[in-house]
Formats: sequence, C-alpha cells, structure tokens
Amino acid sequence: GEDVEQSLFLSVREGDSSVINCTYTDSSSTYLYWYKQEPGAGLQLLTYIFSNMDMKQDQRLTVLLNKKDKHLSLRIADTQTGDSAIYFCAAQGGKLIFGQGTELSVKP
Amino acid sequence: NAGVTQTPKFRVLKTGQSMTLLCAQDMNHEYMYWYRQDPGMGLRLIHYSVGEGTTAKGEVPDGYNVSRLKKQNFLLGLESAAPSQTSVYFCASSHQTSGGEQFFGPGTRLTVL
Repeated sequence: GEDVEQSLFLSVREGDSSVINCTYTDSSSTYLYWYKQEPGAGLQLLTYIFSNMDMKQDQRLTVLLNKKDKHLSLRIADTQTGDSAIYFCAAQGGKLIFGQGTELSVKP
Repeated sequence: NAGVTQTPKFRVLKTGQSMTLLCAQDMNHEYMYWYRQDPGMGLRLIHYSVGEGTTAKGEVPDGYNVSRLKKQNFLLGLESAAPSQTSVYFCASSHQTSGGEQFFGPGTRLTVL
C-alpha cells in the first residue's frame, strides 16, 4: 500500500534552523500536509502545499516539495523551545496517509 | 465553538470488556474519522464516515465498530477489548475529504490489561 516515511527524531539548539524530511510513495498525492502534535494533545495543521507548487513560506516555516523524488521537507527558522513537538507529514491521494512522526527536541 | 471533543480522556479496561468512545464536532462537518496512534507507527485510520448514517472501513478496522446516527457524533465501539488495542485514539472531522484540513480531538488514552 501507499506509504509515508519520516525519521523519528531530530534534536537542534535554540535559534538554529530545523529541517524535517518526509518521503511518500503515492504519485497521485495532490495535497501534502504538516501537522504538529504537542504533548497530550491532538494534531493541529501547521501548513500544507498543493502538488503543483514547489515551495511555500509562512513566517518561520518553509515547505519544499520535490514532486519528482516524492520528497517533502519542513524548515523551521530560528527554532524555539516552544517548537518542541512531534511533526507529522501526511499525503493526500485517494486517502490521507500519515508518516510516523518526527519528534523535534529543542535544546536551550 | 468547542471544535472536536472526545470522551472519555482516559480508560482502563480488562481483556474482554466492551466500551464506546464518543466523538462530537460542532463545525457541521460531513466527514469524520477514527485513528489510533501507536509509538513509531504514526496514525492509522480505523473507520471513517462521509456523512450521517454512513461508515466505511479504514486501514485497521478489525475489532472495532462505528456508528454515525447523528451528523455531529461518531462513536467507536470495542466489543471485546484485547491488549493489542491499547493505544491513543483520535477522532477527527473535515469539511471535505480531499484538500480539506482535518480537525483533531484531544485523544483518548486506552489501556487494556
């Protein structure tokens, strides 16, 4: 079946940039999402990109999409301790498929 | 607006017991979903509904049943709980199935002993 893969952990220092990567297999994916999950809470949509775009910027967040390689990344500039959370990539083709989540740890 | 709410927040069951998880949304969304979240496995879709009175199987439906008698409510039932069903359960809703943001509830942490 279709799959979405992410690395499980990322650790950065406060003020650095964080880059979370994701690969997906469904070439018919039309929307690609980044969700954030804080401890003990549900998922909240951070941003999304439509498949005919290759970049989207929203304040400190930059999403890059390489449709040929089916690779999506989320860059968080000037990472803060409040950015510590689990970040999920999700690809919407016929179904919405979530990755395993990347736990971002921000050290002061 | 409360958004998506789930009850209960926590529950401990013994193997073989039954329970129902309730999800409610006040956004008039057509689509509702039940997911389970397990460490290292992300979210897996259990069942979903595209409207009142309709339900469909997701990726991991075995051992669960659902009902959508009212548009705003989506119930997830476990008839005979098993330890493998220990998980965090999330309900979500969306206005449309494609290109529409899913709004998530806060989750129910279920432990089956």
